Amino acid sequence: NAGVMQNPRHLVRRRGQEARLRCSPVKGHSHVYWYRQLPEEGLKFMVYLQKENIIDESGMPKERFSAEFPKEGPSILRIQQVVRGDSAAYFCASSPGKDQPQHFGDGTRLSIL
Amino acid sequence: GENVEQHPSTLSVQEGDSAVIKCTYSDSASNYFPWYKQELGKRPQLIIDIRSNVGEKKDQRIAVTLNKTAKHFSLHITETQPEDSAVYFCAASKASGNTGKLIFGQGTTLQVKP
Repeated sequence: NAGVMQNPRHLVRRRGQEARLRCSPVKGHSHVYWYRQLPEEGLKFMVYLQKENIIDESGMPKERFSAEFPKEGPSILRIQQVVRGDSAAYFCASSPGKDQPQHFGDGTRLSIL
Repeated sequence: GENVEQHPSTLSVQEGDSAVIKCTYSDSASNYFPWYKQELGKRPQLIIDIRSNVGEKKDQRIAVTLNKTAKHFSLHITETQPEDSAVYFCAASKASGNTGKLIFGQGTTLQVKP
């Protein structure tokens, strides 16, 4: 039973480009969370989604960032017009319910040149 | 707002000794408290969790205690081994709302010296 799968593991973008991060949850999990981790810091919540719905986006910047979790396919975190400050590790977690343990993927390390 | 404070930020112990990491949370409605271990460059791994209806939970060398009145919970690792060296994060959430988002502490870097 595969765990949470994220790709790519590493992503390099130039300022102004778009970054697209993918997350496939554990099979059977319909709840997906995205977190951002800056170097030597804790994880910061960004957004919580269930299939086809954004439930809580209180941690996501209002501009340039968007997330989706379509009926078919992985969850996508999209960052438009990236800036140097977007450089971080982005982790996805999934759970079978909102009050159930969250299991994390290996993360995508985004570097902005 | 919601906040979780974690101490200490670094902890160095001798192999075989015990390690204790402490966290306090601000939101009294929080009712779920997981602990994650993260090795360098790897994913956070859930090692133990506790819900607000119990005061203590143990799994082999790892235990977690919760004091709801003080809004305080702790991770205890006994008989530490070098492979316990990692960054440990506490977190809190309130699943009774419409979100199960985790609020994380700042992390504790544990070094176990052989």
